[in-house]
Amino acid sequence: ETGVTQTPRHLVMGMTNKKSLKCEQHLGHNAMYWYKQSAKKPLELMFVYSLEERVENNSVPSRFSPECPNSSHLFLHLHTLQPEDSALYLCASSHGLASSYEQYFGPGTRLTVT
Amino acid sequence: KQEVTQIPAALSVPEGENLVLNCSFTDSAIYNLQWFRQDPGKGLTSLLLIQSSQREQTSGRLNASLDKSSGRSTLYIAASQPGDSATYLCALGNSGGYQKVTFGIGTKLQVIP
Repeated sequence: ETGVTQTPRHLVMGMTNKKSLKCEQHLGHNAMYWYKQSAKKPLELMFVYSLEERVENNSVPSRFSPECPNSSHLFLHLHTLQPEDSALYLCASSHGLASSYEQYFGPGTRLTVT
Repeated sequence: KQEVTQIPAALSVPEGENLVLNCSFTDSAIYNLQWFRQDPGKGLTSLLLIQSSQREQTSGRLNASLDKSSGRSTLYIAASQPGDSATYLCALGNSGGYQKVTFGIGTKLQVIP
């Protein structure tokens, strides 16, 4: 257990559905991240939040919409996804944004878009 | 732009063997380098973090080294066990105003009993 939980662990959704991924960290960290991990590709950073403010949006399509209501919770709202969005979505947190801080990862949500 | 390469992509060794995983990177202006372990369908578990001013870090049977001048890091696993079977990723924390981490694709390790 890393102190970062994600729900659901598995999700199958159609291209017209709307769903949300949830991440919660119990470590008292101030920064949270969403990553996408596709087969045979390195992890791609999607969004970064620091103290509930978004500081990074790596050209992610608008069908992915993040929300950070407080420093412990992070959501990723999904709508009208494409099959190529099928991947493992990982949430991470760290004490702060400086590169000297370790990131702690959750177990991920395996998303399949049909 | 930082690029991270991990070779080999997959490795199979008999139990008890010592082994080395390699990570190379193109931009030596890094803050740190981290080695992670990922079990199938799971998240990442941090194994070792080396700050840019350090040369190596050790934890149990694991030893990670960092040579910024040559753009290389190695993860040494001593006396491998079947439980070490997983994918090992290296990640570079790059210089910058806030954290940007570049990951390699990983090396998939299988330790055969």
